[in-house]
Amino acid sequence: NAGVTQTPKFRVLKTGQSMTLLCAQDMNHEYMYWYRQDPGMGLRLIHYSVGEGTTAKGEVPDGYNVSRLKKQNFLLGLESAAPSQTSVYFCASRTGQINYGYTFGSGTRLTVV
Amino acid sequence: AQSVTQLDSQVPVFEEAPVELRCNYSSSVSVYLFWYVQYPNQGLQLLLKYLSGSTLVKGINGFEAEFNKSQTSFHLRKPSVHISDTAEYFCAVSGRPGAQKLVFGQGTRLTINP
Repeated sequence: NAGVTQTPKFRVLKTGQSMTLLCAQDMNHEYMYWYRQDPGMGLRLIHYSVGEGTTAKGEVPDGYNVSRLKKQNFLLGLESAAPSQTSVYFCASRTGQINYGYTFGSGTRLTVV
Repeated sequence: AQSVTQLDSQVPVFEEAPVELRCNYSSSVSVYLFWYVQYPNQGLQLLLKYLSGSTLVKGINGFEAEFNKSQTSFHLRKPSVHISDTAEYFCAVSGRPGAQKLVFGQGTRLTINP
């Protein structure tokens, strides 16, 4: 049981390039989330999904797009990367009941130069 | 809406000393409360949670936390820390029922010195 898997683990982009981060979960979870983690700023929610085919904006959605075409996958896209998007990105998922908490992936470290 | 304040961004302690990491929350509704731990270069994992009932909850690795409704706090404690406890700790809150997401604090970096 792999839990939440994020790919890639590391990536270096040039300013203006695009890329997609993949989050896959094998726990049949309804909810999925994308966070970014920056020093001194904790975890900030980018986008989330409450089920297949749905997405919603979090605190810091600008510059990012998401899709949830399949229940087990949640994709985070950067259309035109900027140095301000240099961060560690975490995906998380949970069941329909929030009292179980989240299961997190191991993160993607993205550097935009 | 809920919010979480972790009162210390960094906490250095000596090995085998006790530690308390402070967390205060604000909410107009009943809450669930969580502590997560993030070891270096890893994702977050659940340490413990308060849902209802006993206000003292025990988690993994000898940690415990006490829910104090009157002080709106959920402080994390361990009586004797080890080098392996070096990590970042996040407090999180959700309103219930029907909450869609957790709200996380800024994190507290716990450094254990030998």
